[in-house]
Amino acid sequence: DAGVTQSPTHLIKTRGQQVTLRCSPKSGHDTVSWYQQALGQGPQFIFQYYEEEERQRGNFPDRFSGHQFPNYSSELNVNALLLGDSALYLCASADAPGGHNEQFFGPGTRLTVL
Amino acid sequence: GESVGLHLPTLSVQEGDNSIINCAYSNSASDYFIWYKQESGKGPQFIIDIRSNMDKRQGQRVTVLLNKTVKHLSLQIAATQPGDSAVYFCAETPGNQFYFGTGTSLTVIP
Repeated sequence: DAGVTQSPTHLIKTRGQQVTLRCSPKSGHDTVSWYQQALGQGPQFIFQYYEEEERQRGNFPDRFSGHQFPNYSSELNVNALLLGDSALYLCASADAPGGHNEQFFGPGTRLTVL
Repeated sequence: GESVGLHLPTLSVQEGDNSIINCAYSNSASDYFIWYKQESGKGPQFIIDIRSNMDKRQGQRVTVLLNKTVKHLSLQIAATQPGDSAVYFCAETPGNQFYFGTGTSLTVIP
């Protein structure tokens, strides 16, 4: 049973560039959430996708956008990268939307903005 | 915003001893709580959860206690092992999204 997978593992970008991160949920899961984890901090909720729509959103600017595909996989896009966007980006999947279901996390994508 | 904090940022315990990691939350509307373990270079791993209609829940070597009166959550690890060394996060949700604390780094001394 494949767990949550994310790609790429590491990524280096420069300020102003755009980045796309990818996530495949755990088998049987249809809900995907994205988190940003700065060094030494806990994960911060970015948004959650269910049925190909953004259902919940945390306190992140519009530079952060996403997409969910019919196969439940998801992308996180960040435009106009800032140095402060450097972080570990985590994807988590669940078998239902909302916040009352166990979330399974992927290994993350480490983004470095220079 | 939400506030989920941990009392101690670091904790060192002797192998075989019991560990207790504490967490305070601020939203009285939160009704579901999860403890996660995160090892270096990995994503958070689910340890145990508890709903607000319970005060205590036990798993394998782990126990979570919830005190809604003082908005406090604790994770107890019995017979701590070197493999338990990691950062532990508590997360709360009032039903829409999860809010994570800063984390406590647990180091097990052999």
